[in-house]
Amino acid sequence: NAGVTQTPKFRVLKTGQSMTLLCAQDMNHEYMYWYRQDPGMGLRLIHYSVGEGTTAKGEVPDGYNVSRLKKQNFLLGLESAAPSQTSVYFCASSYGTGREKLFFGSGTQLSVL
Amino acid sequence: GENVEQHPSTLSVQEGDSAVIKCTYSDSASNYFPWYKQELGKRPQLIIDIRSNVGEKKDQRIAVTLNKTAKHFSLHITETQPEDSAVYFCAASMSSGTYKYIFGTGTRLKVLA
Repeated sequence: NAGVTQTPKFRVLKTGQSMTLLCAQDMNHEYMYWYRQDPGMGLRLIHYSVGEGTTAKGEVPDGYNVSRLKKQNFLLGLESAAPSQTSVYFCASSYGTGREKLFFGSGTQLSVL
Repeated sequence: GENVEQHPSTLSVQEGDSAVIKCTYSDSASNYFPWYKQELGKRPQLIIDIRSNVGEKKDQRIAVTLNKTAKHFSLHITETQPEDSAVYFCAASMSSGTYKYIFGTGTRLKVLA
């Protein structure tokens, strides 16, 4: 039982490049989330999903796209990376009642030059 | 809009003293309030949570209190130890049709030996 796994752990991009971050969970959770963490800003919700085939915008969705084609996977895409997207990205999942623990992945450190 | 405010942003206490971190939330329908601890370079981990039908909850040296009328909740750590040094995040569930968690901006706690 691996919990929530994020890949890659580190990545450096040039401005304008694209990439996809993968989040996988093996707990049969309904809800999955993508957060970004910046110094002094806390954890800000980018997008989330309440089940397979669904996605919804969070607090800071601009410049990102997501997909949840399979229940266990939640992908975060950057189509044209910008330096403002330099951050640590965390994926999380939960059962989906809105009143329970979030399980976080180990994070992805992304730098956009 | 939906938001969670957290204070202070940094807090230094002497070992053995108590620490208090305060949060306010905007969504009066929020009914779940977790606290996460994040050690340097690690993922956030749930340390305690409280539901809206409870005013206080304790777990050994940590406690959380909730004032629904004022939309305040607080984390109390007693008899602080060096291993309590970390960043602490409060969060609130936002019930805009589907449940999502909005986090505060974090408090960096330093326990001085």
